[in-house]
Amino acid sequence: QKEVEQNSGPLSVPEGAIASLNCTYSDRGSQSFFWYRQYSGKSPELIMSIYSNGDKEDGRFTAQLNKASQYVSLLIRDSQPSDSATYLCAVKSYSSASKIIFGSGTRLSIRP
Amino acid sequence: GAGVSQTPSNKVTEKGKYVELRCDPISGHTALYWYRQSLGQGPEFLIYFQGTGAADDSGLPNDRFFAVRPEGSVSTLKIQRTERGDSAVYLCASSRTSGGTATDTQYFGPGTRLTVL
Repeated sequence: QKEVEQNSGPLSVPEGAIASLNCTYSDRGSQSFFWYRQYSGKSPELIMSIYSNGDKEDGRFTAQLNKASQYVSLLIRDSQPSDSATYLCAVKSYSSASKIIFGSGTRLSIRP
Repeated sequence: GAGVSQTPSNKVTEKGKYVELRCDPISGHTALYWYRQSLGQGPEFLIYFQGTGAADDSGLPNDRFFAVRPEGSVSTLKIQRTERGDSAVYLCASSRTSGGTATDTQYFGPGTRLTVL
């Protein structure tokens, strides 16, 4: 089992709709959770971080964390073509205070 | 201010050669990380520096890989006897600290694309 799992996609969503990206992780000691956006040929860019159970909203983005289910998600409201990218879920655990484990990413495509 | 910079942006080398990849972190960031990203995969952790010392090098795949950060700022990732399987994008990231949560955001550089022929 991979430490951080994501559906590779591609996930195709119409413009203006809500895009829902999901991630599960295996280490119950995980404490910090991140969503990065990566455009093709570019480096990852942090868009959301979440540390406690529940929802965290920032503009059109909402991160959701459920530690009991070892599940973290990212919702993108009013999806725009510029949101088309690969979204990487990343997790930091108590067992390794420095290392962040990334999932393989979900490719999101927003169709006009 | 300036972000993380990496040089060169592209490096093509032949199998068996030695390469050095450079990372210049954001000024004032004490933590520096190296990752490797293959096509279709997420970044894979290689090594982490806190200041001048390598605090966690558990991700280095073998002893052909080595990294230094002698003055606690610029870091160099060194790969000896390169193999075709070393071909990937090597990413560097820095953060203000490493232990907290609010301040441990990692900012990535543009990466160095290494191709081993």
